Amino acid sequence: AQKVTQAQTEISVVEKEDVTLDCVYETRDTTYYLFWYKQPPSGELVFLIRRNSFDEQNEISGRYSWNFQKSTSSFNFTITASQVVDSAVYFCANGGSQGNLIFGKGTKLSVKP
Amino acid sequence: SAVISQKPSRDICQRGTSLTIQCQVDSQVTMMFWYRQQPGQSLTLIATANQGSEATYESGFVIDKFPISRPNLTFSTLTVSNMSPEDSSIYLCSVAEGINQPQHFGDGTRLSIL
Repeated sequence: AQKVTQAQTEISVVEKEDVTLDCVYETRDTTYYLFWYKQPPSGELVFLIRRNSFDEQNEISGRYSWNFQKSTSSFNFTITASQVVDSAVYFCANGGSQGNLIFGKGTKLSVKP
Repeated sequence: SAVISQKPSRDICQRGTSLTIQCQVDSQVTMMFWYRQQPGQSLTLIATANQGSEATYESGFVIDKFPISRPNLTFSTLTVSNMSPEDSSIYLCSVAEGINQPQHFGDGTRLSIL
């Protein structure tokens, strides 16, 4: 069965600090997809990134970067020079074989000025 | 990405009643899903809405409690039947262009049952 573990329930940082959100996944599929979503206090879910199991290259988008390591079944998310607007709950998810998403429990990030 | 409109955005309902939530997309999409997010919790898939046929329900969710329709490629409804306080949640629809394509979510329906 698929499972996504986000061990960090809440993280609090001061603005401009770097922060890494951890995600560990379990799957029996040889081909799979991993996702990160952001849910700000307003409640909408915002898609951030999708990564397939064949592409282990790290990805950078502005202040955001993702580190995918199949050897440790991890797909970690780093925010560089965090800002107050980054405060949100961040969800990691694994794509199931039927197209559904298996979500982790989420990590609530608070960035204080 | 597609624009997703979900109605109502919130409602307060009496125990034992039913509420139908609508999800309208501004373009045809291959896949539509319904999720539940209980207060302070993660998202749990209720079912995959299949166009023209019965929805595919996840373990723990049944058609009698959560009937779903999807008459075409742009519209779906979820009904929460015979509601109890335990059904108080945010209900979200999502759409995707295909299996394991990014899912995009509506703003959700915040449902409270008294």
